Amino acid sequence: QLQLQESGPGLVKPSETLSLTCTVSGGSISSSSYYWGWIRQPPGKGLEWIGSIYYSGSTYYNPSLKSRVTISVDTSKNQFSLKLSSVTAADTAVYYCARETFLEWLSQVSSWFDPWGQGTLVTVSS
Amino acid sequence: EIVLTQSPATLSLSPGERATLSCRASQSVSSYLAWYQQKPGQAPRLLIYDASNRATGIPARFSGSGSGTDFTLTISSLEPEDFAVYYCQQPRNTFGQGTKLEIK
Repeated sequence: QLQLQESGPGLVKPSETLSLTCTVSGGSISSSSYYWGWIRQPPGKGLEWIGSIYYSGSTYYNPSLKSRVTISVDTSKNQFSLKLSSVTAADTAVYYCARETFLEWLSQVSSWFDPWGQGTLVTVSS
Repeated sequence: EIVLTQSPATLSLSPGERATLSCRASQSVSSYLAWYQQKPGQAPRLLIYDASNRATGIPARFSGSGSGTDFTLTISSLEPEDFAVYYCQQPRNTFGQGTKLEIK
């Protein structure tokens, strides 16, 4: 059974860089047809997709966050990571990692996230 | 950017009743829409993908329908564990704002 687990600091200072890692177990991060994504949820609010990466290193990001986001993959460790720079209090959220099934053919695209990690709360505060 | 609008924001029903949740896209997403359930303190769980396909292990009382811009998640007979927040998601990875299903 595939499982994902987020790890990283729970507290980050304003203007610094948030760094999180997602460790995948029970399956290979190098599986085809799957991207690996980061999604966040501010306290009491809805879900916001941050970005996704393929095992080859191909990425795509939420345009609203693209200038501050870097997602990378380490296939030898079965992990992928998120870096979000210049954080502010607005970046305080529960951060989830998830496997994204991404199917593209002709001009059609289908995608969904399953399974998800349990999430980790990151607070931005001095 | 495709915007997803869910309605109602809150739905108050009793166990055993039928729940109908709506998700409307600002432009067509064909038949490519997913639904998730989220309970307090938990990660979202995939219920439906490609508008009408139930994910593995999801009970048959959950069903999805729709295409183009209008989609519906139906729970045929509510169980106590179904009271939660529900989100829709389109393939370019924007989510709706959620519908809270609460006990009446």
